[in-house]
Amino acid sequence: DTGVSQDPRHKITKRGQNVTFRCDPISEHNRLYWYRQTLGQGPEFLTYFQNEAQLEKSRLLSDRFSAERPKGSFSTLEIQRTEQGDSAMYLCASSRSTQNTEAFFGQGTRLTVV
Amino acid sequence: QQQVKQSPQSLIVQKGGISIINCAYENTAFDYFPWYQQFPGKGPALLIAIRPDVSEKKEGRFTISFNKSAKQFSLHIMDSQPGDSATYFCAATPDTGRRALTFGSGTRLQVQP
Repeated sequence: DTGVSQDPRHKITKRGQNVTFRCDPISEHNRLYWYRQTLGQGPEFLTYFQNEAQLEKSRLLSDRFSAERPKGSFSTLEIQRTEQGDSAMYLCASSRSTQNTEAFFGQGTRLTVV
Repeated sequence: QQQVKQSPQSLIVQKGGISIINCAYENTAFDYFPWYQQFPGKGPALLIAIRPDVSEKKEGRFTISFNKSAKQFSLHIMDSQPGDSATYFCAATPDTGRRALTFGSGTRLQVQP
């Protein structure tokens, strides 16, 4: 068990470019969550999957954002036509779908849009 | 809509002292309340969690106090150490933790030696 892995750790992109982040959850975890964290704030929920099904999306997830978990294992988060306001830490977490289960977070991908 | 309010924003405590962080929630559907610790450049890590059927939970130097009628809960760190210096987030979620977390805005704790 190597924990939740996110790649890349840092990404600098020019405004208008597309970016894609990857998350590899803990292997036996069937739930996977994406959060966004801006400086000095708590993480904000974006979306989550149970296996390959995307069960909930936050209103924060604009049309420029899309997430997938095609085989119920790793997940990708894509941001199209990035804007400076997209600059943030993007965190992935995974958990089992049982009661009172701990969500384990990855170290995040820090996105800077210039 | 901020559903979990956290205070204070920052806290300075002397080594050996007690650190107290408070949170209040609005959504009565919340039924699982974890606290996370986050160091710079790292993801949040679970410290301790409580369900509303108990009023207090203690794990080592960390204690959660829960007041269901007031919709408030707090984290107490006893015998605070410099290694506890980090940002702490309270969170809440419905469905016994099987839904996404709603986080507070965080408390930056500095424990001075």
